[in-house]
Amino acid sequence: GEDVEQSLFLSVREGDSSVINCTYTDSSSTYLYWYKQEPGAGLQLLTYIFSNMDMKQDQRLTVLLNKKDKHLSLRIADTQTGDSAIYFCAESIGGSQGNLIFGKGTKLSVKP
Amino acid sequence: NAGVMQNPRHLVRRRGQEARLRCSPMKGHSHVYWYRQLPEEGLKFMVYLQKENIIDESGMPKERFSAEFPKEGPSILRIQQVVRGDSAAYFCASSPGTVYEKLFFGSGTQLSVL
Repeated sequence: GEDVEQSLFLSVREGDSSVINCTYTDSSSTYLYWYKQEPGAGLQLLTYIFSNMDMKQDQRLTVLLNKKDKHLSLRIADTQTGDSAIYFCAESIGGSQGNLIFGKGTKLSVKP
Repeated sequence: NAGVMQNPRHLVRRRGQEARLRCSPMKGHSHVYWYRQLPEEGLKFMVYLQKENIIDESGMPKERFSAEFPKEGPSILRIQQVVRGDSAAYFCASSPGTVYEKLFFGSGTQLSVL
């Protein structure tokens, strides 16, 4: 079945770049998403990439997609303490609107 | 433009009681989705609704759980005879309806079953 895997923790220093990785299994995924969840809050859509793209850049965020290896990454440049949160990778399943498959989330800790 | 509104934020129920969770989608959004997040887990899809219709309930437990999105008013996720294993954060999301459109999530309802 479908599965999305992420490492559970990442710790970086303020000002460094953060790279959060994700692997997925469904080759029919149409969109892949990165969501951010701060403590006690809902999920905030950070960015998404269509499956026929390799890269998408949006200010400090860069998404890389390797469709052959089913690998997705999110790079946050100049990481700030306000970036501390849980980051979820998700894939949409072909033919099933709104049924996103989420990873368990990567907890990013940013040390001053 | 208000976002997706969920209430209550926190809900405490004793085993055997009923839980009703409400979700008002973003203005102009006609598609609603419910997800459940167990502790230390990612979100799991439960159900997808349009006004007065259940489109996909493949993630809903077969018993005790039901969802509706009436013509007027919010979407309701109803859990009858709650058990401790139902304790989780329940998130609602909405979209305008374009296929594979991005979903906008509410802040969730934290259900605690004593």
